[in-house]
Amino acid sequence: AQKITQTQPGMFVQEKEAVTLDCTYDTSDQSYGLFWYKQPSSGEMIFLIYQGSYDEQNATEGRYSLNFQKARKSANLVISASQLGDSAMYFCAMRERLTGANNLFFGTGTRLTVIP
Amino acid sequence: DVKVTQSSRYLVKRTGEKVFLECVQDMDHENMFWYRQDPGLGLRLIYFSYDVKMKEKGDIPEGYSVSREKKERFSLILESASTNQTSMYLCASSSGHLTPKRDGYTFGSGTRLTVV
Repeated sequence: AQKITQTQPGMFVQEKEAVTLDCTYDTSDQSYGLFWYKQPSSGEMIFLIYQGSYDEQNATEGRYSLNFQKARKSANLVISASQLGDSAMYFCAMRERLTGANNLFFGTGTRLTVIP
Repeated sequence: DVKVTQSSRYLVKRTGEKVFLECVQDMDHENMFWYRQDPGLGLRLIYFSYDVKMKEKGDIPEGYSVSREKKERFSLILESASTNQTSMYLCASSSGHLTPKRDGYTFGSGTRLTVV
């Protein structure tokens, strides 16, 4: 079974609008961490935001926020006020304590295109 | 500025050649990883290392080996390159904490390998 599922291969958003990128995960561990990364065309993976499984508040980092719904096992990324530079691939990832601190499981990614 | 450096951005090799992909990090991280990235498949873990001379197989180790003689350097080796190993290869490093850590991994810029 997939540990991380991203069901949106591609998304479009108008500049200055908000967009939500979906991510669901599968784990039996109680202690885990969820990450979102951005990969522009240059190829580098850029860390955006982190949510710990015990964190009660949704994580926020500037224009990025993570809509964490633990019971539904979802960790959607919300980008507010989209900018042209937000066009990139976005990956959701999870690290579990059970499998050690040594592996991030990645989803297949969502390609976001911001339209002027 | 901390970083993970991959020696080549683009590489073209012939089928059957032995290929070395080099990765160096300057953060004194214990853990280092090699992923390959293919469209529609996300990032898949090939090998990782949690200490010098230690290595563990990831999800897709077949056709690859690794070497970690020094803490800062982690090499991926394709013993006999094949066309199905044409891909983007990403190196990453992380600290040795056992609990999920906010900062996740630091990635290199990737090596796009083409095997002809």
